[in-house]
Amino acid sequence: GNSVTQMEGPVTLSEEAFLTINCTYTATGYPSLFWYVQYPGEGLQLLLKATKADDKGSNKGFEATYRKETTSFHLEKGSVQVSDSAVYFCALSSGGGADGLTFGKGTHLIIQP
Amino acid sequence: DVKVTQSSRYLVKRTGEKVFLECVQDMDHENMFWYRQDPGLGLRLIYFSYDVKMKEKGDIPEGYSVSREKKERFSLILESASTNQTSMYLCASRFSGGLGETQYFGPGTRLLVL
Repeated sequence: GNSVTQMEGPVTLSEEAFLTINCTYTATGYPSLFWYVQYPGEGLQLLLKATKADDKGSNKGFEATYRKETTSFHLEKGSVQVSDSAVYFCALSSGGGADGLTFGKGTHLIIQP
Repeated sequence: DVKVTQSSRYLVKRTGEKVFLECVQDMDHENMFWYRQDPGLGLRLIYFSYDVKMKEKGDIPEGYSVSREKKERFSLILESASTNQTSMYLCASRFSGGLGETQYFGPGTRLLVL
């Protein structure tokens, strides 16, 4: 079946540091890949996505590249801010019809000023 | 902007009660989903619906049922609440265009079963 593995954290960084959150997946076929972010007390928001191999998703300074050969979709940001503190979920969508997303367990990111 | 709303942010119920969680979306999306979110487990799919009056079991449907009588509304029902159903419940909706379509989430309902 499908699965997503990501570092759980918490990951603590100083403001302006470089961020990488690793995500690897197992899926049948050709999944679409997503990063969602959950700020404290809120639901999930889409951060970025990629729908085919070698696509790069980007938003708000965050980037992730769909690497089929390594089955990875690592999230990166060059300079994090305190406002980036949140929980980040890697997810995939695979299969036909209206099936749901398969999520990783989430990475809690804490940015210190 | 897509808006997904959930009827309550917080609920406290007693064991054995019947519980209804309501979700409404305003973008005419065909697909709707219910997930539960637990620490260390991430989000897990309970049920989803392709369209009105259609439903499919997700990964953890035991103890739950759903209803979709109107396109914009998807209800999750706990027939007899138990303490192990204490969790955060998240509803989502999506256009049925394919795997790459974005799911839009509501703010969540935090349910405590005593």
